[in-house]
Amino acid sequence: RKEVEQDPGPFNVPEGATVAFNCTYSNSASQSFFWYRQDCRKEPKLLMSVYSSGNEDGRFTAQLNRASQYISLLIRDSKLSDSATYLCVVNKVDMRFGAGTRLTVKP
Amino acid sequence: DAGVIQSPRHEVTEMGQEVTLRCKPISGHDYLFWYRQTMMRGLELLIYFNNNVPIDDSGMPEDRFSAKMPNASFSTLKIQPSEPRDSAVYFCASSFFGGVRGEAFFGQGTRLTVV
Repeated sequence: RKEVEQDPGPFNVPEGATVAFNCTYSNSASQSFFWYRQDCRKEPKLLMSVYSSGNEDGRFTAQLNRASQYISLLIRDSKLSDSATYLCVVNKVDMRFGAGTRLTVKP
Repeated sequence: DAGVIQSPRHEVTEMGQEVTLRCKPISGHDYLFWYRQTMMRGLELLIYFNNNVPIDDSGMPEDRFSAKMPNASFSTLKIQPSEPRDSAVYFCASSFFGGVRGEAFFGQGTRLTVV
């Protein structure tokens, strides 16, 4: 089993839609969790950290479920500019990425 | 801060040649990561360093790959000899306190093509 697994996608949604991604992890000792965004032919960049209590940043909400060992990312009111690949990161010390989920928001 | 700097941005080489990728991490960061990204395998962690010391190289695909970090401001990833299946984008990233607290900042990557 991979250490980090993500919804394979791709997700194709219309503008304004709400979309959610999940990411499961196998190491219960994992301490930190992040969501990264990667645009085509660019480097990954941090989108948001994921805190135990859940956190929100504008249209983006991240949640952590330690009991079931997964994190989620919810995007509300999708914009065309949200089109990208979203990667989850779970780690003890190293930074191991999920394979990424491709999102395309269409007009 | 200039961010993580990688060179070259693009590299095209012939099979069998030696390839050296370079990385300058963000000043003050104590962790450095090398990743390889392909469509088939996604973003794979190859090796990471803490305070210039290699901690985990279990992701290095085979002996043809080697990485060094002679000082806090420079690291190299070498492939010798290169093969067509090594074609990928190679990213270097650095962070402070590793992933436990801090995010990883990525360089723009080196797009390697082995023909």
